[in-house]
Amino acid sequence: AQSVSQHNHHVILSEAASLELGCNYSYGGTVNLFWYVQYPGQHLQLLLKYFSGDPLVKGIKGFEAEFIKSKFSFNLRKPSVQWSDTAEYFCAVNRGYSTLTFGKGTMLLVSP
Amino acid sequence: NAGVTQTPKFRILKIGQSMTLQCTQDMNHNYMYWYRQDPGMGLKLIYYSVGAGITDKGEVPNGYNVSRSTTEDFPLRLELAAPSQTSVYFCATQSLAGTYEQYFGPGTRLTVT
Repeated sequence: AQSVSQHNHHVILSEAASLELGCNYSYGGTVNLFWYVQYPGQHLQLLLKYFSGDPLVKGIKGFEAEFIKSKFSFNLRKPSVQWSDTAEYFCAVNRGYSTLTFGKGTMLLVSP
Repeated sequence: NAGVTQTPKFRILKIGQSMTLQCTQDMNHNYMYWYRQDPGMGLKLIYYSVGAGITDKGEVPNGYNVSRSTTEDFPLRLELAAPSQTSVYFCATQSLAGTYEQYFGPGTRLTVT
């Protein structure tokens, strides 16, 4: 069964610091990769997604992620975080229309 | 368009009670999912459906039942509530239009005491 591993459960940053959240998946073969964000008290929203093509994908709110196939990784980055980025971030993977497998999430706290 | 709606937003149940969590979508998506979210555990798939009349178990189906009589509705039934079912429940949909992403409802926070 495929699995998704997120490296950090909690990350604390100051505003303007750079962010990188790690995500590795176990599944071999063609996969679709996603990062979702959950702001406090809200539902999950899609940040960005990768299906094929350019391995560097850009999402909303200045986030980007890089797919490195040889490392089975899909790390999320942002050059300069803001207090409003405080949220929980989930990496997820599937194949085609198969069910999504989620990582356990990374809670990001940005201090002003 | 409302997207994916869930009712109720909050509910407190006593052990042994039953309830139905409602999920309705107006996106005409074929695929629908129920997840539960527990702190530090991510989202676990309970049940899913690929269309009206077709449902299948996910990773953690025990204690739950579903039905899918229409494209729009995908209710989740808890028959005998247990404290282990205290969680936040999310419904999600997915289109067959090739984007593969899932769209989530606002969630139902359930406490079983």
